[in-house]
Amino acid sequence: EAQVTQNPRYLITVTGKKLTVTCSQNMNHEYMSWYRQDPGLGLRQIYYSMNVEVTDKGDVPEGYKVSRKEKRNFPLILESPSPNQTSLYFCASSPRGRGNSPLHFGNGTRLTVT
Amino acid sequence: GDSVTQMEGPVTLSEEAFLTINCTYTATGYPSLFWYVQYPGEGLQLLLKATKADDKGSNKGFEATYRKETTSFHLEKGSVQVSDSAVYFCALSDFQGGSEKLVFGKGTKLTVNP
Repeated sequence: EAQVTQNPRYLITVTGKKLTVTCSQNMNHEYMSWYRQDPGLGLRQIYYSMNVEVTDKGDVPEGYKVSRKEKRNFPLILESPSPNQTSLYFCASSPRGRGNSPLHFGNGTRLTVT
Repeated sequence: GDSVTQMEGPVTLSEEAFLTINCTYTATGYPSLFWYVQYPGEGLQLLLKATKADDKGSNKGFEATYRKETTSFHLEKGSVQVSDSAVYFCALSDFQGGSEKLVFGKGTKLTVNP
């Protein structure tokens, strides 16, 4: 089954403790992206990647890192999480990322930073 | 920069009522337009799309027409069902200068009562 898989689904952590949220897609998509969803703010893009070893900042990259060492995986790294990073996170992918390919989303990771 | 504005919710309707969710956009290029739907506890999934002016996207009884003259992409359904209860996101995708730009509206929560 074609899908985008995020792990974990739920995560509670403390300020400053490094964490990684994994994202994997099995559709051979070139384009991958991370979003955060917050009440009243909708979805905001954190980082995206057009292909392996090619990543770029979205609208809210501060406090996050990503890597794209292989096509299927696009982990999101929080080196020193803070409470304002408490949010619902979505990973997404698409075949080409050229403006008319729809995104396929994972089911989300709900992160709480205390 | 590019932006998407959609009507604020929540929207509450009775089953079989007519639905309109307004969406307008601003873009510097020639974007593709999308409606995504998010059911409770899930990621977003594509509902319909239109890639050029006057295109009509349709799926599951929902329709939206790409209106360049009014920069709009309003979502409509003639007769909603309880199962349509979800959050709906309007989005645009613009590809310029070798870079993908995806912008989402803030989402409109729809509740359909039996």
